[in-house]
Amino acid sequence: DVKVTQSSRYLVKRTGEKVFLECVQDMDHENMFWYRQDPGLGLRLIYFSYDVKMKEKGDIPEGYSVSREKKERFSLILESASTNQTSMYLCASSFSRGAGPNEQFFGPGTRLTVL
Amino acid sequence: AQSVTQPDIHITVSEGASLELRCNYSYGATPYLFWYVQSPGQGLQLLLKYFSGDTLVQGIKGFEAEFKRSQSSFNLRKPSVHWSDAAEYFCAVGAGFQKLVFGTGTRLLVSP
Repeated sequence: DVKVTQSSRYLVKRTGEKVFLECVQDMDHENMFWYRQDPGLGLRLIYFSYDVKMKEKGDIPEGYSVSREKKERFSLILESASTNQTSMYLCASSFSRGAGPNEQFFGPGTRLTVL
Repeated sequence: AQSVTQPDIHITVSEGASLELRCNYSYGATPYLFWYVQSPGQGLQLLLKYFSGDTLVQGIKGFEAEFKRSQSSFNLRKPSVHWSDAAEYFCAVGAGFQKLVFGTGTRLLVSP
């Protein structure tokens, strides 16, 4: 089974702190994604990576950056956390095969609270 | 741009009753369509997907969905709901290279 793991299930940080969220997948997927999930807004794409060291902005990249130094690991960085970044963060991965988008496999999520 | 509408925020169904969750998409060509389920405190799990071919798609846990191009819909159905089906359900459409656009979700409540 594909497994996507996230470093923390719950995280509490202070405003202004630098926050790292880590995601690891074990199926050699080319693509990795970071979403945030908020009530009534569904999942919104923050960043997307289609290869090592390659990244693409999603719909809401402001206040975030990412790093992908190894194929299996994709990190989301909040340079200076703010209260409006309190949310559930979901990591996902998928293969690059075929003409269209493939199924994404999700991690369990990290619930981040910024005080 | 691609978009997905799930018009129902909450739905309550009695255990044993049938279920239909609505999903409408906006996409010019033949869409890649997905339904995911999220149990409380968990990540998303794929229920089923449609790429081409038979418009009635079978998934896991007894779910099915029907692609109707004329209505731009991909509704999820289950003939008999179980209490364990209580969760949030997300419809998604392919949006360019390997990306998906998700709807805002429908929360299913199952009453005894």
